Amino acid sequence: GAVVSQHPSWVICKSGTSVKIECRSLDFQATTMFWYRQFPKQSLMLMATSNEGSKATYEQGVEKDKFLINHASLTLSTLTVTSAHPEDSSFYICSARDLGGREYNEQFFGPGTRLTVL
Amino acid sequence: GQNIDQPTEMTATEGAIVQINCTYQTSGFNGLFWYQQHAGEAPTFLSYNVLDGLEEKGRFSSFLSRSKGYSYLLLKELQMKDSASYLCACMDSNYQLIWGAGTKLIIKP
Repeated sequence: GAVVSQHPSWVICKSGTSVKIECRSLDFQATTMFWYRQFPKQSLMLMATSNEGSKATYEQGVEKDKFLINHASLTLSTLTVTSAHPEDSSFYICSARDLGGREYNEQFFGPGTRLTVL
Repeated sequence: GQNIDQPTEMTATEGAIVQINCTYQTSGFNGLFWYQQHAGEAPTFLSYNVLDGLEEKGRFSSFLSRSKGYSYLLLKELQMKDSASYLCACMDSNYQLIWGAGTKLIIKP
């Protein structure tokens, strides 16, 4: 099956620092990757859609200058939380869509990154 | 607007059967997904329906009625490990997933 990895699994940082999260599709090419954020006891909230080689499309209310997304290759997308603050503490999950001959557009999820900003 | 509705929480007994309902209103429809999410973990895929009817996969089954904008996930022979949140998600005309808030399923012995 399709595997998506995320790194790091969890990170604790000081307020004002930047944190980079990597999302990799390990055994397939992902032209589209998605970044989600999930606060405790809430559902997934789509932050942005990332297409390889082009600028990400951000959802309403998500600051593109704060959450920098780079999708430089078909297997890697990165999310950088710049100048992180405690309210950015959340569970960040990426997913990737495999368009290679699949029957439908299933999204495969990474294991998530838990960010805690002190 | 686009909307996915599912119950917030359900409780069932080990060994029993439970049905989790989901109603949706989306701009276009390219299928409905059910995902399972354990606390602190990412969602895992359970099922996909794009045609009306029942899809059975082991202890889990998923049903879709496009005319009614309705789906359910049926879990049989419940086990304690089935305690999790179950997320209903619809793919709209732009192939974007629209997520429900999730149903927290509590299994009691």
